[in-house]
Amino acid sequence: QKEVEQNSGPLSVPEGAIASLNCTYSDRGSQSFFWYRQYSGKSPELIMSIYSNGDKEDGRFTAQLNKASQYVSLLIRDSQPSDSATYLCAVNPGGFQKLVFGTGTRLLVSP
Amino acid sequence: DGGITQSPKYLFRKEGQNVTLSCEQNLNHDAMYWYRQDPGQGLRLIYYSQIVNDFQKGDIAEGYSVSREKKESFPLTVTSAQKNPTAFYLCASAGGPSYNEQFFGPGTRLTVL
Repeated sequence: QKEVEQNSGPLSVPEGAIASLNCTYSDRGSQSFFWYRQYSGKSPELIMSIYSNGDKEDGRFTAQLNKASQYVSLLIRDSQPSDSATYLCAVNPGGFQKLVFGTGTRLLVSP
Repeated sequence: DGGITQSPKYLFRKEGQNVTLSCEQNLNHDAMYWYRQDPGQGLRLIYYSQIVNDFQKGDIAEGYSVSREKKESFPLTVTSAQKNPTAFYLCASAGGPSYNEQFFGPGTRLTVL
């Protein structure tokens, strides 16, 4: 069974701090990795994708991938209350574009 | 506007009824997907389709059926055989240069009365 593991949280951070969200995956052959943000009652929104080892930055978001450790993370700098949501990690284990999703980490940013 | 639409937003069904959820996309994406999300759980794949007139079962296909007669449309039927149909249903599509990136519609919340 190909699995993606996330801490369910909630992860609580004060406004302006860095939020660090983590994800591990079981399939060593996984090729591509995604972070989605899901507000309560809404559908997931793709915020980051990463395909190779290292860091990828987009505005306040940085995705980090370490394939040797089977670990992907999302850093949110200068966290805002509007960042409060559930963050889903998704992994493509290879082959056709199927994704395996983690259960998500709930982030709470307090003013 | 390019995007994915799902209808209805909310759907109530009596036990024993079949219902069909609509999903339409104008992104010219080849691949389309149906997921189910239960409270506090991740997304589980029901069915997916790579091209018109072809689709495959996902991890939890029992009690569901789909069709893909047009590239833009991928309706999902929840049949009376689905034992626990109350859930949030999400349609997604993928294609174009970023072939693996899936984009979601707004979802349909189905409640069985």
